Amino acid sequence: EAQVTQNPRYLITVTGKKLTVTCSQNMNHEYMSWYRQDPGLGLRQIYYSMNVEVTDKGDVPEGYKVSRKEKRNFPLILESPSPNQTSLYFCASSLDRVGNQPQHFGDGTRLSIL
Amino acid sequence: AQSVTQPDIHITVSEGASLELRCNYSYGATPYLFWYVQSPGQGLQLLLKYFSGDTLVQGIKGFEAEFKRSQSSFNLRKPSVHWSDAAEYFCAVGSNDYKLSFGAGTTVTVRA
Repeated sequence: EAQVTQNPRYLITVTGKKLTVTCSQNMNHEYMSWYRQDPGLGLRQIYYSMNVEVTDKGDVPEGYKVSRKEKRNFPLILESPSPNQTSLYFCASSLDRVGNQPQHFGDGTRLSIL
Repeated sequence: AQSVTQPDIHITVSEGASLELRCNYSYGATPYLFWYVQSPGQGLQLLLKYFSGDTLVQGIKGFEAEFKRSQSSFNLRKPSVHWSDAAEYFCAVGSNDYKLSFGAGTTVTVRA
């Protein structure tokens, strides 16, 4: 079954404690991205990756890091989380550029930073 | 820069009634347009997309959308709503690069 898998689904942690949210896709997609979803703001892109070892900033990259060492994995790293990063996070992948290819989304990771 | 506006934050509709969700976009060239649906606790599922050609596009679950270039709109419609259509709906616009911009979403409540 084609899917994008995120872990963990839920996490409550404290300010400053480094955390990583993993994302894996089994569709051999080249493009992957991370979004955060906040009430009234919709989804905003954090980072995206066009292929292995190729990443770039989205609209709200501050406080986040990513890496793309393998095609299937695209982890999101919060080196020093802060309460304003409390949000619902989605990983997505697509075959090609998002302009002309729909994205497949994971089920989301709800992060609470205390 | 591209952007999307969904004017309606929340819509309540009776089961069996018709539904229309509004979406206006801003983009300098021909846009790629999408509608996604998000059920509670779930990720986003693609309902339909417009890239080119026929301006009336059919999607899954009985939804359709019409692209109107003159109005910069891509409104989503369903003739008869089912209780399972209660969800949050997002319109999105993509360009020929790696950016996808979402609207703030419209929450649909279906009353019996």
